[in-house]
Formats: sequence, C-alpha cells, structure tokens
Amino acid sequence: DAKTTQPPSMDCAEGRAANLPCNHSTISGNEYVYWYRQIHSQGPQYIIHGLKNNETNEMASLIITEDRKSSTLILPHATLRDTAVYYCIVKGGTSGSRLTFGEGTQLTVNP
Amino acid sequence: DTGVSQDPRHKITKRGQNVTFRCDPISEHNRLYWYRQTLGQGPEFLTYFQNEAQLEKSRLLSDRFSAERPKGSFSTLEIQRTEQGDSAMYLCASSLRQVRNEKLFFGSGTQLSVL
Repeated sequence: DAKTTQPPSMDCAEGRAANLPCNHSTISGNEYVYWYRQIHSQGPQYIIHGLKNNETNEMASLIITEDRKSSTLILPHATLRDTAVYYCIVKGGTSGSRLTFGEGTQLTVNP
Repeated sequence: DTGVSQDPRHKITKRGQNVTFRCDPISEHNRLYWYRQTLGQGPEFLTYFQNEAQLEKSRLLSDRFSAERPKGSFSTLEIQRTEQGDSAMYLCASSLRQVRNEKLFFGSGTQLSVL
C-alpha cells in the first residue's frame, strides 16, 4: 500500500472550514483514498473515499489533485463534535481488504 | 451506534490468564475484521473473515491469538497466556464485500488491561 503523510495536529475555529491535507506520492493507479475519523473512546468512522474525481457527501468533501499524489478533506462548517483524529488511508492494489492506518491528524475545533 | 457490538467494553486480567472477546457485526455483512489499537497509535490490522473463512492474518498475530467466526455471524478473539504488552483496545469492524466501495463499520472496542 502507498504510504500517507499527514500533519500530526491542526486547529480550526467552530463554524469555519477545516481543510485536512494528506500526501500519498507513491499511490498507484488502482488505489483509492479513504478518510476515517476517530472520536475519543470510539471506533473509527468512515467519512468518504475517492479514486481520482472529487467527491462530496453529507459529511465532507474530498479533493484529489490531478496527479493523485495528494488530497484534502474538507469539513465545510466544523463543529465541536468534529474534534477527532482523522486518518487518510490508501487502499487497493495488493493490500487486499485491509485498511492500514497511520497516526492521523488530531483536529481540534475551538469555540 | 454503528450496529457493530463488542463485548465486554472493558476487561482487566492478570498476566498469564486467557481472555475472550466477542463481536456481533451488522447482520447482513459478510466481512468481519479485528484490529488492535494502543494509545496514540492508529489501529493495527490483525485478521479478517469473509463469512466463516479466515482469509488473512497479520504477522503481528502471534500463536497466542486465535479468532473464529463459526457460522459466519458473530466472531470471537481469544488471547491465551496474556502478557502486559497485550494491553490495548481491540476493535471489530464489519463490511459488505464490494470491489470499489467497501466501507468498514467499527464497534466501540474492548479495552484490555493486563496487570
């Protein structure tokens, strides 16, 4: 699986957009980019995933660069409940079905 | 609530004892995963099942660990002769097998403390 690089922590003001970056420069053509988050004391929660087109759902938007070497998760109007660790994961290819989690980005939304 | 249940939520045991955890996945899901997570780290893959077949095991999974999913529904994870290094959160997840859109739904985990 391609390795991902994320900043260890970020802060965001409540009501503002949170933009979480992820680098995956070794991604291969058949690998997807997935985002999960983990709120303290809970299991990870699926947010969104994409291959090469930008994606949007009720939780977030995913912007993948044209060369697919990086992506950005956007939470358009962050709330205090969005405070969590956000994991960017590249999956597919030879990895089979496993998700390989890194250390993620601790997003803190401040009032 | 994701629909994935894990029992117990917390387990305290003494070194050398055996422990067993249970996971009940979302009923129509045919895949079930086990992960382990220590403080400050992301979850580590341990093993997964498709229906009752165990298809992959991590090299992290020593021979003291065994997992079963006898009827393709609930699963158990047993740790024999526990060690202090086994202290961690054990997470279960389930999914429907799909080529491009597989989404894992995680339970809240079992927190194991080995004294």
